[in-house]
Amino acid sequence: DGGITQSPKYLFRKEGQNVTLSCEQNLNHDAMYWYRQDPGQGLRLIYYSQIVNDFQKGDIAEGYSVSREKKESFPLTVTSAQKNPTAFYLCASTVSGQGVTEAFFGQGTRLTVV
Amino acid sequence: GESVGLHLPTLSVQEGDNSIINCAYSNSASDYFIWYKQESGKGPQFIIDIRSNMDKRQGQRVTVLLNKTVKHLSLQIAATQPGDSAVYFCAEKSPSGNTPLVFGKGTRLSVIA
Repeated sequence: DGGITQSPKYLFRKEGQNVTLSCEQNLNHDAMYWYRQDPGQGLRLIYYSQIVNDFQKGDIAEGYSVSREKKESFPLTVTSAQKNPTAFYLCASTVSGQGVTEAFFGQGTRLTVV
Repeated sequence: GESVGLHLPTLSVQEGDNSIINCAYSNSASDYFIWYKQESGKGPQFIIDIRSNMDKRQGQRVTVLLNKTVKHLSLQIAATQPGDSAVYFCAEKSPSGNTPLVFGKGTRLSVIA
């Protein structure tokens, strides 16, 4: 089955640690995105990549980094510079054509700082 | 900057009644809109979409209405069921290629049995 997979589902980070969240898709989508969701809030864009080896900052990129070495993979690293990393992180991928965009989301990773 | 917002953060509906969830958008250049449903602890799931050249689109038990004059989008759910309880987000997209979807804050729908 085609889809988008995030791992792990739950992640705990100690103060000062970097952690990497995985996102893999087998939908052959060109574009991939990372969003952050806080309780009672909507989705805020962290980074996105429209094509392999290229990515752009979103609205809240500070303290995060990404890479896009393969079409299927778009890992997100939460660095120690991110002062409030506890949140629900969602990865998405899209394909656009004929004026329509299909956007599929992973099931999310809940990151908690301990 | 341009943003997508929702009129009501929470909505409680009796089982069997119809639900209406509203969304206001401010980017007049947006030409494509999507409604998502998000259950607790899960990723958003696609419900229905609409292009700006349409006023209405129907799916199974759901209807999306688009009023470009007042930049308003609504999601109507017929015969609301307990399984419809979730947070609903609208998202908008501008015509430029793979530009990201912009999401509103969401409305929590609670169905009372």
